[in-house]
Amino acid sequence: DGGITQSPKYLFRKEGQNVTLSCEQNLNHDAMYWYRQDPGQGLRLIYYSQIVNDFQKGDIAEGYSVSREKKESFPLTVTSAQKNPTAFYLCASSIGQVPTEQYFGPGTRLTVT
Amino acid sequence: QQQVKQSPQSLIVQKGGISIINCAYENTAFDYFPWYQQFPGKGPALLIAIRPDVSEKKEGRFTISFNKSAKQFSLHIMDSQPGDSATYFCAARDPSGAGSYQLTFGKGTKLSVIP
Repeated sequence: DGGITQSPKYLFRKEGQNVTLSCEQNLNHDAMYWYRQDPGQGLRLIYYSQIVNDFQKGDIAEGYSVSREKKESFPLTVTSAQKNPTAFYLCASSIGQVPTEQYFGPGTRLTVT
Repeated sequence: QQQVKQSPQSLIVQKGGISIINCAYENTAFDYFPWYQQFPGKGPALLIAIRPDVSEKKEGRFTISFNKSAKQFSLHIMDSQPGDSATYFCAARDPSGAGSYQLTFGKGTKLSVIP
């Protein structure tokens, strides 16, 4: 059963704490992406990785960090430097470095209080 | 700067009617235009996509119309059903620049199909 898994579905943290969101794919896709979704804002790219051990900043990378040590995994850390971390976070992957189709995971809703 | 402008923000359509969502762009380098459908609490899923060398693409009840000269494209949902109620996002891909092949998304349209 191939796909993208994100865990957990809901995550609660206190302000000032770092938190890591998990994203795993078993589609053998080369490229992986992290998006943030806020009501009425669409999807905004945080980071993306086209190959293992390489990643690039997207439009809103400040306050976030990522790693890509394995092809199937692309965890996102929301640091305490992110001023407004409460949001719905979506992970996606695409078969090659050219994203003709991005497959999305189910998302993680992060609430920071 | 918003590179893909989507309208309307929300749309209410009667069952059986036609839903129309519009997107406009400025970057003539965009070379791929997908539409995604998202149900509440779920990730978006690709619905249909078009390249700028064709003016229309149809898949079942879903049609993309593309006007290259006007830099606009639209999604038409024929015979809209309550199960189509979701948020729809248009997107565009830029093959040039440092962030090559990234997708830029519109802000989304929340469609409600009422019985």
